[in-house]
Amino acid sequence: RKEVEQDPGPFNVPEGATVAFNCTYSNSASQSFFWYRQDCRKEPKLLMSVYSSGNEDGRFTAQLNRASQYISLLIRDSKLSDSATYLCVVTNAGGTSYGKLTFGQGTILTVHP
Amino acid sequence: DTGVSQDPRHKITKRGQNVTFRCDPISEHNRLYWYRQTLGQGPEFLTYFQNEAQLEKSRLLSDRFSAERPKGSFSTLEIQRTEQGDSAMYLCASSPGVGRVWETQYFGPGTRLLVL
Repeated sequence: RKEVEQDPGPFNVPEGATVAFNCTYSNSASQSFFWYRQDCRKEPKLLMSVYSSGNEDGRFTAQLNRASQYISLLIRDSKLSDSATYLCVVTNAGGTSYGKLTFGQGTILTVHP
Repeated sequence: DTGVSQDPRHKITKRGQNVTFRCDPISEHNRLYWYRQTLGQGPEFLTYFQNEAQLEKSRLLSDRFSAERPKGSFSTLEIQRTEQGDSAMYLCASSPGVGRVWETQYFGPGTRLLVL
């Protein structure tokens, strides 16, 4: 079983739609959680951190459920520019694994006119 | 440009040849990471440096792979006797390294390797 699992999609949605991505992680020792965005043939870039209390950044809302080891990302009012691969990422503290990121395989989103 | 830089951006080589990639982290970032990304997958951790010390290596890093960061600044990743399975994007990232496990890692543009 992969340590971080995501639905690879692809998700094809019209502009203005709301879309949700889910992610599960297997290591209960995981301490920090993120969503990264990766455009085609580019490097990953941090979209937002994910906290247990949930957090929102404009049209983006991230949620973490530690009990279920589940992370979500909600995008409201989708824009064409939101088309990208969204990567669910966890880090595990302890020992020498300081800040090593573990990525899911990514979920592809295409927003069409 | 003060971001992470990587060189070369693209490399095509024949199976069995050696290749070396370079990463220049953001100035004064103490932590440097190498990841590998194959098509349709997320990046996978390869190795990590705190200053010049290599503190962790993934089991993905076979004996044919070696990474160095001799002066705690730039890093090199060498692959000896390349195989077709080594074809991937090799990503470098850096972070400040001031103690918080959830530091943002800033990625470079990657080196895309194709082994023929």
